[in-house]
Amino acid sequence: QVQLVQSGAEVKKPGASVKVSCKASGYTFTGYYMHWVRQAPGQGLEWMGRINPNSGGTNYAQKFQGRVTMTRDTSISTAYMELSRLRSDDTAVYYCARDWEYCSGGSCYSSFDYWGQGTLVTVSS
Amino acid sequence: EIVMTQSPATLSVSPGERATLSCRASQSVSSNLAWYQQKPGQAPRLLIYGASTRATGIPARFSGSGSGTEFTLTISSLQSEDFAVYYCQQYNNWPPSWTFGQGTKVEIK
Repeated sequence: QVQLVQSGAEVKKPGASVKVSCKASGYTFTGYYMHWVRQAPGQGLEWMGRINPNSGGTNYAQKFQGRVTMTRDTSISTAYMELSRLRSDDTAVYYCARDWEYCSGGSCYSSFDYWGQGTLVTVSS
Repeated sequence: EIVMTQSPATLSVSPGERATLSCRASQSVSSNLAWYQQKPGQAPRLLIYGASTRATGIPARFSGSGSGTEFTLTISSLQSEDFAVYYCQQYNNWPPSWTFGQGTKVEIK
């Protein structure tokens, strides 16, 4: 069965960086894009970006350009999200999520079918 | 950037009743619209993709409709396990980007 298992909670000081991992199992890691989504306490979901595990190519949300780096290690089926220059408002649960693309009638639709359990990142001095 | 607006923010419904949640896009997203359910302390769960197709294992009481800018998620007869927050999400082809609505909380009346 498909599983995405994320690394544990982190506490960081403002200005530091954090790197969260997401280990995939139960499917071909290089066959599906991986997204990162975050959720601040009591708030909604915010898309951060995605990585193509096959090529390593990335697309980032404009808000995070220059601060986020997504990478992968295909030998261990793991995706990583690193966020730098942390601020207090980066305190959130960070999720990885697998892309599901469904094509029908010449159109393709993207959604996120499997999610990791989430990693709480707390930024505090 | 495409903005997704959900209404209402909170919906109070009695078990067994019908719930209708709305999602509006600031510009057309065709049928590139998904719905997710999130319970406290859990990751979101995919309910609907392509605006109207139920994901694997999702009960038939969940249905999605709409295209372009107006979308609806209907829960035909609310069960106790359906009380949660629901998010819509759009996908834009270029540049690739995904945007969520702010969520609708379905609570017990």
